[in-house]
Amino acid sequence: DIQMTQSPSSLSASVGDRVTITCRASQGISNYVAWFQQKPGKAPKSLIYTASTLQGGVPSKFSGSGSGTDFTLTISSLQPEDFATYYCQQYNSFPWTFGQGTKVEIK
Amino acid sequence: EVQLVESGGGLVKPGGSLRLSCAASGFTFNSYTMNWVRQAPGKGLEWVSSISSSSNYIYYADSVKGRFTISRDNAKNSLFLQMNSLRAEDTAIYYCARAHDSTVVVSAVDIWGQGTMVTVTS
Repeated sequence: DIQMTQSPSSLSASVGDRVTITCRASQGISNYVAWFQQKPGKAPKSLIYTASTLQGGVPSKFSGSGSGTDFTLTISSLQPEDFATYYCQQYNSFPWTFGQGTKVEIK
Repeated sequence: EVQLVESGGGLVKPGGSLRLSCAASGFTFNSYTMNWVRQAPGKGLEWVSSISSSSNYIYYADSVKGRFTISRDNAKNSLFLQMNSLRAEDTAIYYCARAHDSTVVVSAVDIWGQGTMVTVTS
């Protein structure tokens, strides 16, 4: 199985900060990476697919990059509604696997 | 509006069975691969199973293989997960999720349902 290692597991940031979350795959997965946002008690929301393509309706403050084994999710200017847990996921091959999540908290 | 609504969750004893359903609306259900993803209380996301649009391709996580069966009824715009031989570690919220690209068998998830809770306890 492909392991997805996400870092950091949590971070504290202020409104307006630029935030970067990293995900590393245990083997090359081309660009078959998706990113999700989840708020407490809610279903996940899809943000990005193929490493860098925004899902419809997702604001451009979110961006993704990477290919092969190393991927990043960046939030350009953190807003109150962005405080949540973020997950990466590979869909290059089954079984699909997720990173362990990064909780973004208010500083 | 594109919508997925899960149902069928509940409390069940170890070794018991449960059948989850996911009702789809607002899109051409028979064109899309569908998926089940679960989340144990306080834990991360875990992919469970995927089924292609015409049920030709079906995949399972090792943790559920041989116990869970995914199926779909395109005439009724519905996705199912039959769960047998349930264990305590199957306790989770189960989400139904659509793959975003109808032109390929495998693509990323774009739409999620609200989830249905399954609790396995004696």
